[in-house]
Amino acid sequence: KAGVTQTPRYLIKTRGQQVTLSCSPISGHRSVSWYQQTPGQGLQFLFEYFSETQRNKGNFPGRFSGRQFSNSRSEMNVSTLELGDSALYLCASSYLSYQTEKETQYFGPGTRLLVL
Amino acid sequence: DQQVKQNSPSLSVQEGRISILNCDYTNSMFDYFLWYKKYPAEGPTFLISISSIKDKNEDGRFTVFLNKSAKHLSLHIVPSQPGDSAVYFCRYNQGGKLIFGQGTELSVKP
Repeated sequence: KAGVTQTPRYLIKTRGQQVTLSCSPISGHRSVSWYQQTPGQGLQFLFEYFSETQRNKGNFPGRFSGRQFSNSRSEMNVSTLELGDSALYLCASSYLSYQTEKETQYFGPGTRLLVL
Repeated sequence: DQQVKQNSPSLSVQEGRISILNCDYTNSMFDYFLWYKKYPAEGPTFLISISSIKDKNEDGRFTVFLNKSAKHLSLHIVPSQPGDSAVYFCRYNQGGKLIFGQGTELSVKP
């Protein structure tokens, strides 16, 4: 199976602009989560989508939004970019095994966003 | 308020020795914990997990211990290898909520 893919891999934007990041989960995975990683804060949960519905949301301002399509592909949008939004944005798709009762996340390579 | 804390941002260990990575949590209502390993420029990869009903899970060189009374989780890597050098994150699931620790950067020196 192909892994989780994210596009673009690298992005440079300026303050005030908006950006859209894309994530394609592993085929068959219906849950997609987004994370922000920065050196000071580590991995922080943004939101999770399941079957086109936002199931969980982290503590990020409303400038961060997302959506999921019927094919489970997900997009994340950040409006009015700030310098502090520079980070690695990771997407993960999840699979819950009812047999082992374990959920495993498979992460994509991330999109590195630099805001100037 | 950090519900999951990894108090050591970095750890340096000699090759062949034991690496112990720690994680403390505040909420006792969780389903299971997972450990992830992340190399630079790559996404985290799943390493090992432990459910709330166990106190130990072992997979090769990796063993995770869960002390529920102390609300403490640890990952042991024995013997440590240079290829283990990475950032390690603990994460727990509580219902639909996914909480990560801040990460510990492990450096294994030859």
